[in-house]
Amino acid sequence: GQQLNQSPQSMFIQEGEDVSMNCTSSSIFNTWLWYKQDPGEGPVLLIALYKAGELTSNGRLTAQFGITRKDSFLNISASIPSDVGIYFCAGHTGTASKLTFGTGTRLQVTL
Amino acid sequence: DAGITQSPRYKITETGRQVTLMCHQTWSHSYMFWYRQDLGHGLRLIYYSAAADITDKGEVPDGYVVSRSKTENFPLTLESATRSQTSVYFCASTQWEGYNSPLHFGNGTRLTVT
Repeated sequence: GQQLNQSPQSMFIQEGEDVSMNCTSSSIFNTWLWYKQDPGEGPVLLIALYKAGELTSNGRLTAQFGITRKDSFLNISASIPSDVGIYFCAGHTGTASKLTFGTGTRLQVTL
Repeated sequence: DAGITQSPRYKITETGRQVTLMCHQTWSHSYMFWYRQDLGHGLRLIYYSAAADITDKGEVPDGYVVSRSKTENFPLTLESATRSQTSVYFCASTQWEGYNSPLHFGNGTRLTVT
């Protein structure tokens, strides 16, 4: 099946720092999604990207759909303690049943 | 409270036993999904359902059985649990299968098979 390589696997940062993580694929996707999973909970959708080159923001979060349609990145500016969690990228080619998830980036924020 | 709920939150069972994980959603979403989450693998699709009485295999269906007699419920059964099925299981739902219909996840069931 399709594989999404997500990096880094984990990050330890200080409060106030900016964070950048990315996702790459060997296959083309029509949609890129970014989810966040808080400890003990299910993933929650943060940002959805539908067009190559699209840059979308959601508060302190910014994500981009790569021009080649094989990659995406997520930036978090001025991190705060509640940003702690696992961030997943996901891509699909048009149907939810074909959604492929990355392996996740675990973010830890220290005061 | 409206939403998607999974039960139990935690389950310990022995190898060879049958165990059923429950999923219930109150949105009347057509599509429902079961994923498992394992370290190093992210989320992998086990089974999904497009409507009542319609189910299909995902990426890792072996050892699992699903049913969907009612739109709001989508139970997942491990007929004879194995240690490799120790995992966190997530149920999800969405209204339609199009690219702009995001998945809504439950809070998961952590299953340990001893």
